[in-house]
Amino acid sequence: GAVVSQHPSRVICKSGTSVKIECRSLDFQATTMFWYRQFPKQSLMLMATSNEGSKATYEQGVEKDKFLINHASLTLSTLTVTSAHPEDSSFYICSASIGLEGETQYFGPGTRLLVL
Amino acid sequence: EDQVTQSPEALRLQEGESSSLNCSYTVSGLRGLFWYRQDPGKGPEFLFTLYSAGEEKEKERLKATLTKKESFLHITAPKPEDSATYLCAVERGSEKLVFGKGTKLTVNP
Repeated sequence: GAVVSQHPSRVICKSGTSVKIECRSLDFQATTMFWYRQFPKQSLMLMATSNEGSKATYEQGVEKDKFLINHASLTLSTLTVTSAHPEDSSFYICSASIGLEGETQYFGPGTRLLVL
Repeated sequence: EDQVTQSPEALRLQEGESSSLNCSYTVSGLRGLFWYRQDPGKGPEFLFTLYSAGEEKEKERLKATLTKKESFLHITAPKPEDSATYLCAVERGSEKLVFGKGTKLTVNP
């Protein structure tokens, strides 16, 4: 299967700072990338969808000014959590697909964010 | 509203004891139903995609089936390494996935 990487795998930061998470598709070109958040013992919740070269589409209730998404190339998307607060602590996971309906999304290993 | 419900929430099996996990869904215009495996602290690992009722797919000890309202993940003679949370998701158009809460499977040796 296709391989998606995320960096960093774990980050601890102070409240008020910004954190950038990278998501890369290693062996295929990802027209579409997705960002999810997962709280303990909960399922994955879609935050936003990003297409290469265009603005991200955010799900209802997700603040676009807080969660900045950039999809600069067909293999890289970044999520920046701006002015992070303790309630932003969560497991953030990206996925990538070739951009067609019905196509499989391949997930990265996730990034554990802890905001102190 | 699109919904995905997985049952049971948790399942404990003895090694070799076969069983099935259920995923029932309501979605307008199913584009695909996906099964993933998720280990603690990791991202979901792709297992199967099913597109139409009657479709079946197999991989080692796992077999996924699909009807118009639900999907089953059958596990035959499981091993301890099959222990994980199994997630079901449906695509509701625009490539967006709706996930169930998962079934946590524990296989005891």
